[in-house]
Amino acid sequence: VQLVQSGAEVKKPGESLKISCKGSGYNFPIFWIGWVRQMPGKGLEWVGIIYPSDSDTRYSPSFQGRVTISVDISISTAYLQWSSLTASDTATYYCVRHYIVWLGILTPYNMDVWGQGTTVTVSS
Amino acid sequence: DIVMTQSPVSLPVTPGESASISCTSSQSLLHSNGNNYLDWYVQKPGQSPQVLIYLGSKRASGVPDRFRGSGSGTDFTLKISRVEAEDVGDYYCMQGLQTPPTFGQGTKVEIK
Repeated sequence: VQLVQSGAEVKKPGESLKISCKGSGYNFPIFWIGWVRQMPGKGLEWVGIIYPSDSDTRYSPSFQGRVTISVDISISTAYLQWSSLTASDTATYYCVRHYIVWLGILTPYNMDVWGQGTTVTVSS
Repeated sequence: DIVMTQSPVSLPVTPGESASISCTSSQSLLHSNGNNYLDWYVQKPGQSPQVLIYLGSKRASGVPDRFRGSGSGTDFTLKISRVEAEDVGDYYCMQGLQTPPTFGQGTKVEIK
C-alpha cells in the first residue's frame, strides 16, 4: 500500500499548478484521499479530502476557494491544484489515505498512509 | 474550529527513560459511540508523518507497544516508554471529531 506523489515544483506568483498522488496496493476508489500542508519549519494543516468513487469533496474553510481537489479513478490518482499561486503557498504538501466515519456528519480520522510529500516553491 | 494544545513544545529525553506528551482540546472529542476521535502522529527528521495512535488509544499497525495513548474527552497523553534514539522527531496530536481536523502545534522529542 503506497501513495506516490509528483516531484518538486518551482513556480512564479500567479502561475497555475497541479500536483498528483497515485495510490497503489489497495482498493483506491473506496478510501478517502486527503491533503495536508506543512509550511517551512511549521506544523501540519489539513487542506481537504475527496472520495474517489463519487468525487465527494470537502475543504477546510482556510483553503476553500484557494485550491481544488480532484481525482481520476481510472488511474488511481488524486490531484491538488491552484489557479494562481502566491508566495504563501510555498510548502510541502502530503497526500494521505484517510479513514472516515459518518456520525451524522463526516468525521475524518486516522491518516494511515502518507505520500512522500511534494515541495512547492513560489518565488519571483 | 477545535483548538488543540500540546505540551511541552520541546522534550529532551535520556535513552531508556520515559517521555509523556500532553494534548488538550477546546471541545470534548468523545462521541456518544464511546470513541475519542484523537490521533497521534510522528514526523521523524526528513520523513513524512506517520500515524502512531488513533481513536485515542489504538496503536496503528507496526507501532511498538512502547507507545501508549490514553485519555478521554479533552485531555490526552502519549507516553513513550524506554525511549530509543529512533524516537526523535516531532509529535502531533490531531482531532478528527469535527471537520476540519486540527493539529496541535507539535512537540519536538530529542535525545539528551
